[in-house]
Amino acid sequence: RKEVEQDPGPFNVPEGATVAFNCTYSNSASQSFFWYRQDCRKEPKLLMSVYSSGNEDGRFTAQLNRASQYISLLIRDSKLSDSATYLCVVGRPGGYQKVTFGIGTKLQVIP
Amino acid sequence: NAGVTQTPKFRILKIGQSMTLQCTQDMNHNYMYWYRQDPGMGLKLIYYSVGAGITDKGEVPNGYNVSRSTTEDFPLRLELAAPSQTSVYFCASSYGRESEKLFFGSGTQLSVL
Repeated sequence: RKEVEQDPGPFNVPEGATVAFNCTYSNSASQSFFWYRQDCRKEPKLLMSVYSSGNEDGRFTAQLNRASQYISLLIRDSKLSDSATYLCVVGRPGGYQKVTFGIGTKLQVIP
Repeated sequence: NAGVTQTPKFRILKIGQSMTLQCTQDMNHNYMYWYRQDPGMGLKLIYYSVGAGITDKGEVPNGYNVSRSTTEDFPLRLELAAPSQTSVYFCASSYGRESEKLFFGSGTQLSVL
């Protein structure tokens, strides 16, 4: 089993739709969780950290389920500008050398 | 504020050639990293550094070398380039540990033919 698994997609959704991505992780010692956004041929950029209590930033909501070992990202009212690949990132204690990146989920928002 | 600067953006190498990918950050970050990203794969850590003079291997270090003589610079050296090193390379930095945001450079598209 891969350490971090994501559905690569693509997820094609109409503008205004709500879309959710899940990411599962295999190592129960994982302690830090992030969603990064990567535009085509660009560098990844941090979208959100994911906290145990869940967190929201505008149209984006991230949640962590430790019991089932997955994190989720919900995007409400999708915009064309949300089209990108969303990388799930999971870290174990010991610095970023212990971080694992998922392959990413591609989102395409359609007019 | 430049952040993390990588050069070059694109490069084509012949098998057996060598080159250095440059990476500079102006945020006074202690931690710096080199990743490679291949199609259908997550970013893989090549080498990392926790401060000037300190470097260590990541998940895929074979065929690469690094140095960290200053806080700002973290060059990646490819010796005897092979087709398997065709990839997109990203340099990144962070102030602290895994709870801190990673800042990435804009990447280098390298092809080895």
